[in-house]
Amino acid sequence: DAGITQSPRHKVTETGTPVTLRCHQTENHRYMYWYRQDPGHGLRLIHYSYGVKDTDKGEVSDGYSVSRSKTEDFLLTLESATSSQTSVYFCAISETDGFSNQPQHFGDGTRLSIL
Amino acid sequence: AQRVTQPEKLLSVFKGAPVELKCNYSYSGSPELFWYVQYSRQRLQLLLRHISRESIKGFTADLNKGETSFHLKKPFAQEEDSAMYYCALWSMDSSYKLIFGSGTRLLVRP
Repeated sequence: DAGITQSPRHKVTETGTPVTLRCHQTENHRYMYWYRQDPGHGLRLIHYSYGVKDTDKGEVSDGYSVSRSKTEDFLLTLESATSSQTSVYFCAISETDGFSNQPQHFGDGTRLSIL
Repeated sequence: AQRVTQPEKLLSVFKGAPVELKCNYSYSGSPELFWYVQYSRQRLQLLLRHISRESIKGFTADLNKGETSFHLKKPFAQEEDSAMYYCALWSMDSSYKLIFGSGTRLLVRP
């Protein structure tokens, strides 16, 4: 398995509180991604990063921010959590060899409940 | 817009029966497509990519550009195949993003 660690694995918090999820990789991959997984929606991209300090929005970025200050860490922050952000969050990494797009590899997920 | 459609939310078969999980995509060029599998409460794992043309765990998938499909098939389903399956398409802009379908849950009954 690719070296991807997500923390925490589970979190319960209250509406209006800030939450930060961490993704740590040991593969030195350039690309990192945050997804949320919800029944009936599959995986939806929140934000992604294509290098240190280089990030961009995905399809469901409202209410989320990210930061990548070093290659190995990609942080997802919910500034003021809402119940609609209750979900399972997955981090993924990938690389390109210049010829083809390498598959994304996923972390174990963070189960976030916002009450 | 690039899109991946998995029309079945749930597919239930008996052990030993053939399985076909449907995936259709919308893209006008040469796509790069993947199948991912997620066993209960585990991480997503890469099952297949179309350019490798390999068979993993007895599953195969053929790209049909005419029908814009990349269906996943297995001739004889096993109970351990029960899982969530996602079809995914590499976004062909410069963003290196994967576009996922909504997933199909495969349930293999004994």
